Amino acid sequence: EVQLVESGGGLVQPGRSLRLSCAASGFTFEDSGMYWVRQAPGKGLEWVSGISWHSGSIGYADSVKGRFTISRDNAKNSLYLQMNSLRAEDTALYYCAKDIGAGVVPGNFDYWGQGTLVTVSS
Amino acid sequence: AIQMTQSPSSLSASVGDRVTITCRASQGIRNDLGWYQQKPGKAPKLLIYAASSLQSGVPSRFSGSGSGTDFTLTISSLQPEDFATYYCLQDYDYPLTFGGGTKVEIK
Repeated sequence: EVQLVESGGGLVQPGRSLRLSCAASGFTFEDSGMYWVRQAPGKGLEWVSGISWHSGSIGYADSVKGRFTISRDNAKNSLYLQMNSLRAEDTALYYCAKDIGAGVVPGNFDYWGQGTLVTVSS
Repeated sequence: AIQMTQSPSSLSASVGDRVTITCRASQGIRNDLGWYQQKPGKAPKLLIYAASSLQSGVPSRFSGSGSGTDFTLTISSLQPEDFATYYCLQDYDYPLTFGGGTKVEIK
């Protein structure tokens, strides 16, 4: 059974940093592209970032480019999102999601975690 | 970035109705489009990928069509469990972009 479990969310002041993690199991993590998607309270879905199986292809939403960094550790079956210079508008539920394929080119997301909540407020 | 315009933003329908939701891309995206269903408090679920391919386990009443800039999600006979919010996603190129969502409510 595929499982994606996010962690690392919480309350943080504007301008500070936070690192999210996603622990994956039930599939061959090293063969899969991975993504972060967020959803602000009461709002729609916003794609945040994606990374291919070998970290050779990476993309970011314009709203987070230069502030957020996606990475992965295939030996630990883990995905990460380093979030710096956080703003109030980054407040959202952050989902980890698995690509249908290897992610060398972007694809759709066939499995999602349950999300971790990030609140940016003073 | 490619803009995805989804319509309508909401609709009211009855069980058994045929429902159609559309997404328009600001530029051609071949057939690189997926459709997701999200229920309150739950993670989204993939319904359709590559514009018209049904994801494993998804009922056949869901179908997708389109190519280039115009895409459609159709629910042939709406069931009680289909009341939810639906989103399209273009996976043609980074940055990926979602449509604004369509909330399907009970009439």
